[in-house]
Amino acid sequence: QKEVEQNSGPLSVPEGAIASLNCTYSDRGSQSFFWYRQYSGKSPELIMFIYSNGDKEDGRFTAQLNKASQYVSLLIRDSQPSDSATYLCAVNGQSGGSNYKLTFGKGTLLTVNP
Amino acid sequence: GAVVSQHPSRVICKSGTSVKIECRSLDFQATTMFWYRQFPKQSLMLMATSNEGSKATYEQGVEKDKFLINHASLTLSTLTVTSAHPEDSSFYICSAQGGPIAYEQYFGPGTRLTVT
Repeated sequence: QKEVEQNSGPLSVPEGAIASLNCTYSDRGSQSFFWYRQYSGKSPELIMFIYSNGDKEDGRFTAQLNKASQYVSLLIRDSQPSDSATYLCAVNGQSGGSNYKLTFGKGTLLTVNP
Repeated sequence: GAVVSQHPSRVICKSGTSVKIECRSLDFQATTMFWYRQFPKQSLMLMATSNEGSKATYEQGVEKDKFLINHASLTLSTLTVTSAHPEDSSFYICSAQGGPIAYEQYFGPGTRLTVT
């Protein structure tokens, strides 16, 4: 059973602070890792993807991957109230093939307080 | 690019009736489409994987005779909830693969189904 674990939160940070979201996964064969943001009542939207160990930065967002520890995180710098949402970690556990099925974590609710 | 639409966005139906939800990739050909269901405060649960021209692959515990999936073209997949019951009320979301980034799933806006 492939599992993706996230702290459900809620995680509350003040505006301007760094929000740190964490995710662990059980399948060592996982190759691609995604962070989606989901506002209440809306569908997920992709924030970041990462597939190599280390850090990947995109604007205020940094994804960090450590395959040895089976751990992926998302840092949000200079958090804004508009970042308040549920953040879903998703992992592609299939090696090869054309169907990249994703396993989602339950999501972490982030609240950024003005 | 890589826009996915769903129709309808919201539907209310009576118990026992069937509801069809459409998922379209508007500007790319979707080799694979996925159907998810999300209950309040829960994560996305994959229901089935659909490839154009072939039968859908259902996840364990999902009744294929109740949730009929048709993927007739590279831009359209449909999910029909047959003989809907109140417990089928949920947020149904499709995603499509085959856009600019090969491994990325592009999500539709979702369909809120309420069965009365």
